[in-house]
Amino acid sequence: DADVTQTPRNRITKTGKRIMLECSQTKGHDRMYWYRQDPGLGLRLIYYSFDVKDINKGEISDGYSVSRQAQAKFSLSLESAIPNQTALYFCATSESRDDEQFFGPGTRLTVL
Amino acid sequence: AQTVTQSQPEMSVQEAETVTLSCTYDTSENNYYLFWYKQPPSRQMILVIRQEAYKQQNATENRFSVNFQKAAKSFSLKISDSQLGDTAMYFCAHHSGGSNYKLTFGKGTLLTVNP
Repeated sequence: DADVTQTPRNRITKTGKRIMLECSQTKGHDRMYWYRQDPGLGLRLIYYSFDVKDINKGEISDGYSVSRQAQAKFSLSLESAIPNQTALYFCATSESRDDEQFFGPGTRLTVL
Repeated sequence: AQTVTQSQPEMSVQEAETVTLSCTYDTSENNYYLFWYKQPPSRQMILVIRQEAYKQQNATENRFSVNFQKAAKSFSLKISDSQLGDTAMYFCAHHSGGSNYKLTFGKGTLLTVNP
């Protein structure tokens, strides 16, 4: 079984809809991250959490919110989706701040 | 501000040959970490290799090795004996070792290994 899972894997939605992307991990890591990948831009950090009570904005947090329900779960919400939020979204975890990050399989989101 | 530059958007190599992917970065810190991640068509992000800036010895992982030039802020990835399964997008990433968390990715290099 995968250590980091994301649901859904693919989602098509319409402008203005509320969307939640979920991430779960079985690695026992405290640190979790949400990234967005756009063609030609690499990965950019949306939010990160170093433990359940510690949530921080990344470089592109506008239009997004997150919830850390438990050590193993970290959800990303788009309160009112817009077309330029169409992208591939990755969740990742790490054991410590300086360690490698383990990525989920990604969620491809299309906003029409 | 930290930046990571991968100057080669696309590269190709023949199977069994060697290829080098370039990466430069800009940072004002002395302690940090560098990574190469691979993203095959399956889109899964996979760590290839990691280098701590305080280590002078270049990291190696089987057919993958790096040329880390700290003064030049250069971190290139060499793939030896290229295999078809190496076809992927490769991302260079810089992680600040300081108290402020920051992991910055380059825009990626698409490597195609030809039979």
